[in-house]
Amino acid sequence: DSGVTQTPKHLITATGQRVTLRCSPRSGDLSVYWYQQSLDQGLQFLIQYYNGEERAKGNILERFSAQQFPDLHSELNLSSLELGDSALYFCASSVADEVVANEKLFFGSGTQLSVL
Amino acid sequence: AQKITQTQPGMFVQEKEAVTLDCTYDTSDQSYGLFWYKQPSSGEMIFLIYQGSYDEQNATEGRYSLNFQKARKSANLVISASQLGDSAMYFCAMREGDSSASKIIFGSGTRLSIRP
Repeated sequence: DSGVTQTPKHLITATGQRVTLRCSPRSGDLSVYWYQQSLDQGLQFLIQYYNGEERAKGNILERFSAQQFPDLHSELNLSSLELGDSALYFCASSVADEVVANEKLFFGSGTQLSVL
Repeated sequence: AQKITQTQPGMFVQEKEAVTLDCTYDTSDQSYGLFWYKQPSSGEMIFLIYQGSYDEQNATEGRYSLNFQKARKSANLVISASQLGDSAMYFCAMREGDSSASKIIFGSGTRLSIRP
């Protein structure tokens, strides 16, 4: 168990809908990362938050948004869903102190999103 | 821009043999970190090994070692004495820089299958 909790584990919805994925980082971790993994693909970096602030952005669609709350949990909102958004969405966390070159990511078990 | 390349989509190896998974990277930053993660069929992401750009010795973690060739920008993972449980997807990843804003990007992965 990595200590990172993602809910729900599975989500089935229809095109055009909006969903929210939730992530609770490990206790003490300030940084949260979101990744998208489509079928048999690598992980695509979406966005990173550090202590409530957005710090790095990847190829995140405008239909997607995220935030990190004061208690450090994070939510990824996906709207106007399309079939191609079906994927495994991972959240990961790290302590992210100033010297972070060797800070590894601890991953949650992911949310499997199916858009029908 | 960051880039991670894994040129082996799939590999088959006989049990107990050693295996090398290739990874090359591209960065203009002097400070960066390289990671390998394992993703078994259950889907979770498991951290294996880390190598810092300033580390002079190759990293080792049990049966895993990282063959770091900085001038060639390669960070190959070597698994000694492979086991059936090593069958999984393996991802190479890189963190560029050492601030709390440095994102980690992943390669497309190599699917390793161990034959009994």
